[in-house]
Amino acid sequence: GQNIDQPTEMTATEGAIVQINCTYQTSGFNGLFWYQQHAGEAPTFLSYNVLDGLEEKGRFSSFLSRSKGYSYLLLKELQMKDSASYLCAASDSNYQLIWGAGTKLIIKP
Amino acid sequence: ETGVTQTPRHLVMGMTNKKSLKCEQHLGHNAMYWYKQSAKKPLELMFVYSLEERVENNSVPSRFSPECPNSSHLFLHLHTLQPEDSALYLCASSQQADRGFADTQYFGPGTRLTVL
Repeated sequence: GQNIDQPTEMTATEGAIVQINCTYQTSGFNGLFWYQQHAGEAPTFLSYNVLDGLEEKGRFSSFLSRSKGYSYLLLKELQMKDSASYLCAASDSNYQLIWGAGTKLIIKP
Repeated sequence: ETGVTQTPRHLVMGMTNKKSLKCEQHLGHNAMYWYKQSAKKPLELMFVYSLEERVENNSVPSRFSPECPNSSHLFLHLHTLQPEDSALYLCASSQQADRGFADTQYFGPGTRLTVL
């Protein structure tokens, strides 16, 4: 079957760095997405990786290893506004997104 | 503001009611989606429309009925729902482009549905 695993909840300190991991098993693979979702709001697109390696966008970076079925989202210089859920989703052979349950990130002062 | 709007934002209905959710996208996209989001569960894809034709129906109960009159509007008609249907219903849109790359989906803020 198709499956996405990511931690349920993580806690980090303001100004620090946090890495949110995601492992996936899909029938075929057409890329890996990360979305951010604040409570009561729409999920918003953060990143898309289809090739192995690291993509950097300001304070956020995303990494993909296709051979390992593994990705991570790295958040640097954490701010209180980064408190949110982070959703990992893999695109399968039919370009359908298979979603993880999300990682709730709590930032403490 | 993602360019996808949904109304209403909150809805409370009884099991015998009929109501409709509305989604509108202002991004010029050619595909639209309905998702169900329940607490601590992955997003569940319900329906996909591409070029106004339904291309995906993930075994959704018939008490949910989608309608896509044009590429900018999507409706979800609800009737005789059950309490377990209470959830956040999210609409999304994307531009289906060349294959080899997945399409980025842009989401609306959702409708929080409570079925009594």
